[in-house]
Amino acid sequence: KAGVTQTPRYLIKTRGQQVTLSCSPISGHRSVSWYQQTPGQGLQFLFEYFSETQRNKGNFPGRFSGRQFSNSRSEMNVSTLELGDSALYLCASSFVAGGPGEQFFGPGTRLTVL
Amino acid sequence: AQKITQTQPGMFVQEKEAVTLDCTYDTSDQSYGLFWYKQPSSGEMIFLIYQGSYDEQNATEGRYSLNFQKARKSANLVISASQLGDSAMYFCAMSANTGNQFYFGTGTSLTVIP
Repeated sequence: KAGVTQTPRYLIKTRGQQVTLSCSPISGHRSVSWYQQTPGQGLQFLFEYFSETQRNKGNFPGRFSGRQFSNSRSEMNVSTLELGDSALYLCASSFVAGGPGEQFFGPGTRLTVL
Repeated sequence: AQKITQTQPGMFVQEKEAVTLDCTYDTSDQSYGLFWYKQPSSGEMIFLIYQGSYDEQNATEGRYSLNFQKARKSANLVISASQLGDSAMYFCAMSANTGNQFYFGTGTSLTVIP
């Protein structure tokens, strides 16, 4: 069974640009969560999608948004990039509809904002 | 509010020795899950072990065991017979009953010395 895949793996952008990251969950998993990891703030929850609906949202500005498609693939978008958005963005999928349940993480997308 | 605390920023262990990584948590939920993940320098989060709040026995997975003390709200990870490949960041995480949002600790960097 294929694991969680994230594309692209590495990305370099400049301030003010926007970026879209993609996540394909494990087959059969309908929940996809996104996390931001930085050296200063650690791992922080961005949002979770289940069956194309956002169920939970972390404390991030509106520049961070996401969506989920009918095949459970998810995208997150960051508009008007800032230097502080440089981070490893991790996607995780879960089979369980409601917690607590194990999440399987992808390899991450490393975003650098110049 | 949920909170995970890892008080050991860095740990060293001799190869083939056992090591304990500390984790305490705070939650008012009755149903929750506790997880440990390993993150090598590549960035991917690798699931190690899971303990449910209603599980009476401590979880074990190969060389990993979780020392769950519910009254003390602690969920320490014990790695037996350390190997050089165990050198990585280790994160304790909790999910509550409100969905698949994970709360992470700040992590412990483990270095295995030959």
